[in-house]
Amino acid sequence: DAEITQSPRHKITETGRQVTLACHQTWNHNNMFWYRQDLGHGLRLIHYSYGVQDTNKGEVSDGYSVSRSNTEDLPLTLESAASSQTSVYFCASSEGPGQGVWTQYFGPGTRLTVL
Amino acid sequence: QKEVEQDPGPLSVPEGAIVSLNCTYSNSAFQYFMWYRQYSRKGPELLMYTYSSGNKEDGRFTAQVDKSSKYISLFIRDSQPSDSATYLCAISRQGGSEKLVFGKGMKLTVNP
Repeated sequence: DAEITQSPRHKITETGRQVTLACHQTWNHNNMFWYRQDLGHGLRLIHYSYGVQDTNKGEVSDGYSVSRSNTEDLPLTLESAASSQTSVYFCASSEGPGQGVWTQYFGPGTRLTVL
Repeated sequence: QKEVEQDPGPLSVPEGAIVSLNCTYSNSAFQYFMWYRQYSRKGPELLMYTYSSGNKEDGRFTAQVDKSSKYISLFIRDSQPSDSATYLCAISRQGGSEKLVFGKGMKLTVNP
């Protein structure tokens, strides 16, 4: 069955380290998204991509970067981890482009702690 | 003003109760309105969506949109313990192919 996976599921790192969170989907979806979820803030968009070589900044993109070299993967990199980036990170993908309700399918999440 | 506001709760109800979850939004350009359900330590999953104004019913769930007042609602009839989850409203201009703006989420507990 097609699916979307994230790795690692849990990560503890230290302030200042570079961290990369992986996201892989097997639906061949064009659109991929990264969100972070924090108590009191809900889900907030970090970066998104509408296809290979396309990346766009979301609401809370400072300190994060993404690159899209193929359809299946959108890794999220924290250039220099900060304690404020302790959060649960979700990757999602959807069909499109075009108008219509294309369901965004979410991965299981990565729980990141920055000490 | 945030683009979408949702009362974060939490909300606790007895089994069989009717539950009403609500969000308001600020920009009339939004046309697609979605409700996601998120179980503990899982990713959100799409529960229902509506386009423009009106109601949509799916079993015990009804989604309602009032564009004139920028108000969206999700009603759950005959609530069950299995409905215990966090419910997030989401809005977009072009549906799920475009970036979504989420409410903060309402944690619902249905007590047997």
